[in-house]
Amino acid sequence: DVKVTQSSRYLVKRTGEKVFLECVQDMDHENMFWYRQDPGLGLRLIYFSYDVKMKEKGDIPEGYSVSREKKERFSLILESASTNQTSMYLCASSPGTSGSSYEQYFGPGTRLTVT
Amino acid sequence: GENVEQHPSTLSVQEGDSAVIKCTYSDSASNYFPWYKQELGKGPQLIIDIRSNVGEKKDQRIAVTLNKTAKHFSLHITETQPEDSAVYFCARTGGGADGLTFGKGTHLIIQP
Repeated sequence: DVKVTQSSRYLVKRTGEKVFLECVQDMDHENMFWYRQDPGLGLRLIYFSYDVKMKEKGDIPEGYSVSREKKERFSLILESASTNQTSMYLCASSPGTSGSSYEQYFGPGTRLTVT
Repeated sequence: GENVEQHPSTLSVQEGDSAVIKCTYSDSASNYFPWYKQELGKGPQLIIDIRSNVGEKKDQRIAVTLNKTAKHFSLHITETQPEDSAVYFCARTGGGADGLTFGKGTHLIIQP
C-alpha cells in the first residue's frame, strides 16, 4: 500500500511564526502536491513538484513556499503565518508521467491553527 | 486550474437507495476524472476514476459516467449502506504531474 505520512495531525502556531509542514511518501513517487482544505471551498492546490528540487505554483501559492531536497519528502513552509492560513493541509503523491500516473494518494492531513 | 462545479452540496438518501452526484467542468483539455471519498478525520481516498476515452466505468456498487461533449461526469452509488456516509469530491486534471482541481464536495448522508 502507498503510504503518505504528514509530520503532525494538529499544530497551533502564533501569527508571524515560520511554520514547516513535512510530508513523506514511501512509494518512490515522482510527483508530490500540497493542498489546503477549507469548509465550502473544497481542496485547493498550493504547490506541486514533479522532481527533486523542482516546484510549480498551484492555484493559491501566495504566502507559501516549498522545498523538495529528496524524492520522498516535500515540505510546505509558511514564511510568516497569518490567521487566514488556519486550515487543513493535505499532502499527496502520484507515481509519474505515464501509465496510472494520474492517481494521487493523500496523507491524513495536518490541521493548522494560527492564533 | 479550471473550476469544477459539484452538486448537490448535501445529499440524504435512505439506506438501500441510490445516490447520484454530478460535476461539470469547463476545460476541454481535461482528460482524467477521479472521485474521492473523505471520512471524518482522514485524508481523501480514491474510490473510482475515469479517463476521457471511456464513457462509463463500474466497480461493484460504484459507477462513474462521463459525457465529454457536455463536459459533465457523475458518480452513482447503488444499494447505499451506512458506511457510504462521507464527503465525496470530484476532480479533474489535464494529466501528468499537474495537480487536481476539485469540486467543493458533497456530504452524503445515509439514513437508516
